Amino acid sequence: AQTVTQSQPEMSVQEAETVTLSCTYDTSESDYYLFWYKQPPSRQMILVIRQEAYKQQNATENRFSVNFQKAAKSFSLKISDSQLGDAAMYFCAYRSAWVNRDDKIIFGKGTRLHILP
Amino acid sequence: DTEVTQTPKHLVMGMTNKKSLKCEQHMGHRAMYWYKQKAKKPPELMFVYSYEKLSINESVPSRFSPECPNSSLLNLHLHALQPEDSALYLCASSQGGGLSYEQYFGPGTRLTVT
Repeated sequence: AQTVTQSQPEMSVQEAETVTLSCTYDTSESDYYLFWYKQPPSRQMILVIRQEAYKQQNATENRFSVNFQKAAKSFSLKISDSQLGDAAMYFCAYRSAWVNRDDKIIFGKGTRLHILP
Repeated sequence: DTEVTQTPKHLVMGMTNKKSLKCEQHMGHRAMYWYKQKAKKPPELMFVYSYEKLSINESVPSRFSPECPNSSLLNLHLHALQPEDSALYLCASSQGGGLSYEQYFGPGTRLTVT
């Protein structure tokens, strides 16, 4: 069974600084997708970034980028130039890429990110 | 448009009440999901509908009854709930059929059982 581990329950970063959230996962599959979701307090969960396991290039979305290390099964999220609106719970998530697999996404326990003004 | 809508936003119900949560998407997605989320925890999957058929039931108690009337709508019927069922209930959708893998979430219904 696949598992996703986020070892940092909470983190804080000064506004405008850079922060990295860690995520490791365990799987025996070779093809899968990894995601970072953001859930601000009392607001909707939104997808921040997606990484396909078959792609060597790390995904980037504006100030958000990932460091995907397939051999190490590591998938960290870097947020550059942190803004107050980045304060949220961040969930790392895994999904099998097998078409015949069910549509489950496996979530980590989350990292609460605080932005200090 | 990547919007999933849910109604109501808040619901307070007694343990003997019957109520329903509604979810709607107009993105042409063929997979829809119900999740339960407790405070400071990740979402827990309850049900998955794929092409309007129930494909996953994560051993959810029968007091929760899902329904998918058509490809755009998903309901969750609630009956005889317990106080521990109080939580945020999230609906999500995805393209399904192996076409896309991310899920789009609605804002949730905050349920309180008294």
